[in-house]
Amino acid sequence: QKEVEQNSGPLSVPEGAIASLNCTYSDRGSQSFFWYRQYSGKSPELIMSIYSNGDKEDGRFTAQLNKASQYVSLLIRDSQPSDSATYLCAVGGGTSYGKLTFGQGTILTVHP
Amino acid sequence: DAEITQSPRHKITETGRQVTLACHQTWNHNNMFWYRQDLGHGLRLIHYSYGVQDTNKGEVSDGYSVSRSNTEDLPLTLESAASSQTSVYFCASSPDRGSETQYFGPGTRLLVL
Repeated sequence: QKEVEQNSGPLSVPEGAIASLNCTYSDRGSQSFFWYRQYSGKSPELIMSIYSNGDKEDGRFTAQLNKASQYVSLLIRDSQPSDSATYLCAVGGGTSYGKLTFGQGTILTVHP
Repeated sequence: DAEITQSPRHKITETGRQVTLACHQTWNHNNMFWYRQDLGHGLRLIHYSYGVQDTNKGEVSDGYSVSRSNTEDLPLTLESAASSQTSVYFCASSPDRGSETQYFGPGTRLLVL
């Protein structure tokens, strides 16, 4: 069974700093990787997807994928208090084609 | 605008009652999913569907059922509600099996007394 592991945190960073969130996965055949942000009491919201090794940047967010090491990370530059949320890593493809497996999420707190 | 909606948003029921949670999407997506989210367990897949008349069990399907009679709707039924089914339920959809990006509904908070 595919597993996706995240450090549950909480991860606390000061405003303006870089927040680094990490995720590892067990299925080597996985092909698609996603980061969702979930505010308290709300539904998950897609913020990044990545499919190829390397970095993908979108505004203050950078997703990094290393398939050989089976990890994916999310960097948030110039962190803001509004970034405080739970970040969910999701992995698709491989043995569960068409479905996503989610990690338990990392709680991020950005303090002024 | 296309969207995915869930109803009711909040539900209180009693043990043993049958409960149906609705999910409706207007994106014309083939794939629809039901998850439950509990503290310490993250999002767990209950049932999913890749198209009309197609339904599949997820990792925590016991006590739940779904049916897919059209593209837009995937209702989730709790046959006989149990206190262990108190949770937040999310519906999600994705275009097709080649695109795994999922978009979530607002969720339903269910309390079983």
